[in-house]
Amino acid sequence: SYEVTQPPSVSVSPGQTASIPCSGDRLGDKYVCWYRQKPGQSPMLVVYQDKKRPSGIPERFSGSSSGNTATLTISGAQALDEADYYCQAWDINTGVVFGGGTKLTVL
Amino acid sequence: QLQLQESGPGLVKPSETLSLTCTVSGASISSRSYYWGWIRQPPGKGLEWIGSIHYDGTTYYNPSLKSRVTISVDTSKNQFSLNLNSVTAADTAVYYCARAGYYYYDMDVWGQGTTVTVSS
Repeated sequence: SYEVTQPPSVSVSPGQTASIPCSGDRLGDKYVCWYRQKPGQSPMLVVYQDKKRPSGIPERFSGSSSGNTATLTISGAQALDEADYYCQAWDINTGVVFGGGTKLTVL
Repeated sequence: QLQLQESGPGLVKPSETLSLTCTVSGASISSRSYYWGWIRQPPGKGLEWIGSIHYDGTTYYNPSLKSRVTISVDTSKNQFSLNLNSVTAADTAVYYCARAGYYYYDMDVWGQGTTVTVSS
């Protein structure tokens, strides 16, 4: 079955750029989306089709994908960006696949 | 504004069937452009996709759960449902329903989630 992998945690200083990777075999051949989940809340889509932003998501959220890795980049990280972030892809055999999630700490 | 709302028992006994319904309001479930899916999150853990359904009845299931899962749709009520049988404590989780894009399965609208505990 297809799998995607994320680091459990990423730390960033306020105002700096955070990069959260998501890796999987030939992941660049698939579309990846990203969700942000704050404690006690439902996940929220922040990037879809690798690099598109839904309405209302700030421009400092961006996505990219190439080879075996997709990356969510948060520019000018703020304390309110602290959350768990999940990548997701679709595989024809496995279906919807989520990464294990990355806890972003801004400190 | 599109909203999804999960409903169903919060407590299920081991070996029984977990049944949840997601009511869609603000838009028709009978759209060619979307799938409707179930996702769960065990306490303190990550997201797990359970399965998805199109209004025409086409379904996709997580291979690891496929033998125990049935997802159905009722277009007349604008609802879709989840049945998960032979539950164990490992099925204890927050269960979410969500709308997913037809081609790439990005989930842009989520319900608030409902907690289901499996315990005798």
